[in-house]
Amino acid sequence: DAGVIQSPRHEVTEMGQEVTLRCKPISGHDYLFWYRQTMMRGLELLIYFNNNVPIDDSGMPEDRFSAKMPNASFSTLKIQPSEPRDSAVYFCASSLQGRGSGNTIYFGEGSWLTVV
Amino acid sequence: AQSVAQPEDQVNVAEGNPLTVKCTYSVSGNPYLFWYVQYPNRGLQFLLKYITGDNLVKGSYGFEAEFNKSQTSFHLKKPSALVSDSALYFCAVRDISSGYSTLTFGKGTMLLVSP
Repeated sequence: DAGVIQSPRHEVTEMGQEVTLRCKPISGHDYLFWYRQTMMRGLELLIYFNNNVPIDDSGMPEDRFSAKMPNASFSTLKIQPSEPRDSAVYFCASSLQGRGSGNTIYFGEGSWLTVV
Repeated sequence: AQSVAQPEDQVNVAEGNPLTVKCTYSVSGNPYLFWYVQYPNRGLQFLLKYITGDNLVKGSYGFEAEFNKSQTSFHLKKPSALVSDSALYFCAVRDISSGYSTLTFGKGTMLLVSP
């Protein structure tokens, strides 16, 4: 199993530029999550999807953030325009809802974003 | 509502000694409980979970955790710490009594194992 795959692993961009983070969940998983991790705020859930449909986006900080899941094997998190305070590690994660699985969430390695 | 508390920001232990990382939770129904580990510059890795059954759960890398319903705790333990266990540990909970819910994570506890 390849696990959750994220790209890019590292990105440095200038303030005002558009940033697109990509995620391929584990095959067969029906839930996909986007998290953000910072020293100040810890791990925050931004949005999650079930069967490609956004279920809860209450964690998305501002309208500058948007996420899509056009199919079961791909999702994007976009920031436009980016600001220095968006600098963080962004994690994608996926899980499979099923009896006995506990809905264990599996994380990707993260996209380390720096906005200068 | 569901919540998790990890009361210690950091735990220091000498290699070879037993370690405990504490976690308490609050849910209105029955919990699913999880531990994750994050090594530097890496994603969170699943360590172990409690769903039902035996209160003592064994997981990866020799870690175990004990579910204590009366104390609403799920402490992570290892009999003999290794320097390579040094990492950030997260406890997480899900309330399974009201349909699907996402995991709620604690703030994390940094474990430092000295040689």
